[in-house]
Amino acid sequence: NAGVTQTPKFRVLKTGQSMTLLCAQDMNHEYMYWYRQDPGMGLRLIHYSVGEGTTAKGEVPDGYNVSRLKKQNFLLGLESAAPSQTSVYFCASSHDLAGVGGETQYFGPGTRLLVL
Amino acid sequence: QQQVKQSPQSLIVQKGGISIINCAYENTAFDYFPWYQQFPGKGPALLIAIRPDVSEKKEGRFTISFNKSAKQFSLHIMDSQPGDSATYFCAARGLGLTFGEGTQLTVNP
Repeated sequence: NAGVTQTPKFRVLKTGQSMTLLCAQDMNHEYMYWYRQDPGMGLRLIHYSVGEGTTAKGEVPDGYNVSRLKKQNFLLGLESAAPSQTSVYFCASSHDLAGVGGETQYFGPGTRLLVL
Repeated sequence: QQQVKQSPQSLIVQKGGISIINCAYENTAFDYFPWYQQFPGKGPALLIAIRPDVSEKKEGRFTISFNKSAKQFSLHIMDSQPGDSATYFCAARGLGLTFGEGTQLTVNP
């Protein structure tokens, strides 16, 4: 039982390049989330999904797109990377909406992205 | 716009001492308040959580105190240990979780 895994662990991009971050969970969770973590700002929600085929915007969605084609996978895309997107990206999943019934949100190990 | 304010940004405590981290929130619709612990290179992990109808929750050396009228809550770590050295985030649930800015705790041996 791997929990939440993220690919890749680290990536360097040039401004304008595109890439996709992959998140996979093996806990059969309905809800999945993408956060970015920046120094002094905690974690901020980018997009989330309440089930296969559904996505919704979080606090900081601009410049990102997501897809949830399979229940276990949640992809985060950067179509044209900018230096402001340099960050550590965390994926998380939960059985129910985070906090409902005391539900725990499980986090992946993170992807460190540097945009030059 | 940060809806959950966390302080201090960093904290140094001696082994055996008490670590206290404070958070304040604005949105009265928040109804669940977890604390996460994060070690370097790892994702955050749930440490302890509280609902606003409870004023205090204790799990081992970790205690959350909650003041609904003041819209404040805090994490107390009793008998702090070097292994507690990590970054701690408070959070509040509305639509998903809104996190505080984080507190880097260092416990000196």
